[in-house]
Order: sequence, then structure tokens, then C-alpha cells
Amino acid sequence: SYVLTQPPSVSVAPGQTARITCGGNNIGSKSVHWYQQKPGQAPVLFVYDDSDRPSGIPERFSGSNSGNTATLTISRVEAGDEADYYCQVWDSTSDHYVVFGGGTKLTVL
Amino acid sequence: VQMVEAGGGLVQPGGSLRLSCAASGFTFNNYEMNWVRRAPGKGLEWVSYISTIGSTIYYADSVKGRFTISRDNAKNSLYLQMNSLRAEDTAVYYCAKEKSETHAFDIWGQGTVVTVSP
Repeated sequence: SYVLTQPPSVSVAPGQTARITCGGNNIGSKSVHWYQQKPGQAPVLFVYDDSDRPSGIPERFSGSNSGNTATLTISRVEAGDEADYYCQVWDSTSDHYVVFGGGTKLTVL
Repeated sequence: VQMVEAGGGLVQPGGSLRLSCAASGFTFNNYEMNWVRRAPGKGLEWVSYISTIGSTIYYADSVKGRFTISRDNAKNSLYLQMNSLRAEDTAVYYCAKEKSETHAFDIWGQGTVVTVSP
């Protein structure tokens, strides 16, 4: 089955840039989607198809995907960005179809 | 645009529950749908997928043979029948709508809590 690997935690000071990685075998050939989830809330789609943002998502959030690593970049981090972030792909080559990464807890120092 | 889940609760191991998800504000029968769960202290886990007319269905290995996804497009509703429940099925269950031409989930319900315990 296809596996997505995320760091369990990332810490960053306010105003700095956070980068959350999502590793997978040849992930650059797949479309990667990113979600933010805050405690007690449903996940929210923040980036889809590697680098597109749904309406209402700040431009501070951007995505990239190449080789074996996809990255969610959060510029000018704010306290309100503290949350869990998940990457996700659709893997039609296996019988697992939808795969989520393990999630990364972003802490704003 | 919203989706509202219902049907969660406390159930004994081996028991059954039927979750429902009522959709509004969009043309339900145009979109593929999924169930996703998050167990306490764990990350998101995909559970099941259903195509627009229900002709294609997929399940995670962890629920295959025990859970059944279905939809009623006339009622704008998605369902998850859960049988032979285990303690490890304890989680918040979300219904999630797929964004057109991607397999990204752009609309999520608020979640319903399922607790499997003696």
C-alpha cells in the first residue's frame, strides 16, 4: 500500500515560514491535497492539486510537489495557524484509494 | 453548502450503527462522496468512497466486509452501515464531498462520534 510520511511536529515563531513535508514514493506523479484541522473542528481543505487554493484560503498558504516530497509552506505564520495538517492523495494503483499522511502538529511558539 | 451527520452513539462490541449524512446547498447527485474518521489520539483515516450513482464503491481494509456505504440521491443523503463493531472503530466519523475532477475533499460535515465499548 502507498504510504505518506509527515513529521509529527513542526514548530515556528510568529512571522516566520513553516514548511510541512509529505514524503511518498514518486509522489510528484500524484495530486496532493492538504487539510488543516483544529481541535474539535472538521478538517478544512487548504490546498488541492499540489498548489491550488480554494476560495477564502489566504495566499500565505502554498504547496509544491516534486520527486518524492510534497511541501505545504505557510508564510508569515500567525498564532491562528496552530493546528494539525494532513496531506492526502488518491492512489489508483492500489486498493487503498485514498491515503492520508499521519499528520503534522504545527506549533506557533 | 453543508452536510450534517447523525446516528453516532455508544454501542457494544459486535453491535451495529447506521450513520447518515444530509447534504444541502449543492447538487448532491453530481458529486462523489466519502466517509473519513479520526480515532482519539490518531490521525485522519479514510473509510469508504461511493461514486455519484453508487456504481463504484471502495473500502479501507480495516472496515471491508463490516461496513457498507450507500447513498440516496433523491433524499440528498449518504449512509454508512456499520456492523460487527470493534473498539478500534471508536472515532469521530465525517462525511466528505469530493471537489469536481479531483479527489480532494472540499466540504466536510461536523462529524458524529461513535464509541464502541462494553
